[in-house]
Amino acid sequence: DQQVKQNSPSLSVQEGRISILNCDYTNSMFDYFLWYKKYPAEGPTFLISISSIKDKNEDGRFTVFLNKSAKHLSLHIVPSQPGDSAVYFCAASADDKIIFGKGTRLHILP
Amino acid sequence: EAGVAQSPRYKIIEKRQSVAFWCNPISGHATLYWYQQILGQGPKLLIQFQNNGVVDDSQLPKDRFSAERLKGVDSTLKIQPAKLEDSAVYLCASSPMGQGAQPQHFGDGTRLSIL
Repeated sequence: DQQVKQNSPSLSVQEGRISILNCDYTNSMFDYFLWYKKYPAEGPTFLISISSIKDKNEDGRFTVFLNKSAKHLSLHIVPSQPGDSAVYFCAASADDKIIFGKGTRLHILP
Repeated sequence: EAGVAQSPRYKIIEKRQSVAFWCNPISGHATLYWYQQILGQGPKLLIQFQNNGVVDDSQLPKDRFSAERLKGVDSTLKIQPAKLEDSAVYLCASSPMGQGAQPQHFGDGTRLSIL
């Protein structure tokens, strides 16, 4: 029973273009959503989060959009840079429990 | 600020052997988590401590896994006896308080291989 789904295992984007990573969830009780970035052989690092009462949060090149009616969120990276190549995990929190998606591997092409 | 420290980085054991992992969270972080990340999956919470008390261990296979955080600072996770399906990366994370708005800080993990 996957409560947080990242349906694209991988994504390739040209350097300088926009990267859009998607995430769907099933539990309407989630109150926070987070994105983590993970490089090989390292632990995940926090990137950006959004409260369920908001529909957008922006931090530099990173913007997260939340569509509660569709139970969908997305992470936009613009412009994409070579250092953005990593695995991105979507995560959702409710009742002090956090659930991670399976991740999407982002490749930034030169 | 020093990050979350974990050791060892890698461990190879045979099935039915025992193994222990150590974690030192960021100084002052009250909440400590252990996650299991199987290849191709996202991290799955095994156990959550608030100071030295267990908040959630509902997904910890208690017949073989145990964890402790005796002084409310560092923590150990033990597997005894190990099974082939325990091959995974074990991640430790900490946060100033509970979940939600407080992002967790992860260590680099221990990669466990069971032969």
